[in-house]
Amino acid sequence: QKEVEQNSGPLSVPEGAIASLNCTYSDRGSQSFFWYRQYSGKSPELIMFIYSNGDKEDGRFTAQLNKASQYVSLLIRDSQPSDSATYLCACSSGTYKYIFGTGTRLKVLA
Amino acid sequence: GAGVSQTPSNKVTEKGKYVELRCDPISGHTALYWYRQSLGQGPEFLIYFQGTGAADDSGLPNDRFFAVRPEGSVSTLKIQRTERGDSAVYLCASSLTSGRTRSTDTQYFGPGTRLTVL
Repeated sequence: QKEVEQNSGPLSVPEGAIASLNCTYSDRGSQSFFWYRQYSGKSPELIMFIYSNGDKEDGRFTAQLNKASQYVSLLIRDSQPSDSATYLCACSSGTYKYIFGTGTRLKVLA
Repeated sequence: GAGVSQTPSNKVTEKGKYVELRCDPISGHTALYWYRQSLGQGPEFLIYFQGTGAADDSGLPNDRFFAVRPEGSVSTLKIQRTERGDSAVYLCASSLTSGRTRSTDTQYFGPGTRLTVL
């Protein structure tokens, strides 16, 4: 059974702090990794994708991938109350079937 | 349209009834996917279309579930003899390609249809 594990949270951080969201995956064949943000009652919205080991930065977001440890993380700098949402990690070993974690609920406190 | 659209946004039905959920992908996207998301869970893969054909339907839970995409654009997910356990949000996603490049294979989700079976 291919699994993607995330801590369900909630993860609470003060406004302006760095939020660190983590994800581990079991399928060593996973090649593509995605972070989606999902506000309550809304659909998942793509934030970032990462394919290679190391860091990938986009604005306030940095995705980190370590294939040897089967670990993906998302850092959110200068966290804002509007970042409060559930963050879903997804992995794909092929090109279409995404395996999602259960998501981590982030609360940014004003 | 600008994004993936799904109708209806909400559907309430009675146990045993038949329902159809519609998905209109992003214009030009060849690949289409259906997922189901239960409360507190991540989306779970149901079926994938490349063009008109279902390339992988391994995620459909049983033969009460069926999906079509007759012209390679709009797709309909059909559920027969609905059960209370079918209650969930049904998400549709599309991607520009599938199997070409990882960036153009990236999936974009629609707003979902919340199905409630009483």
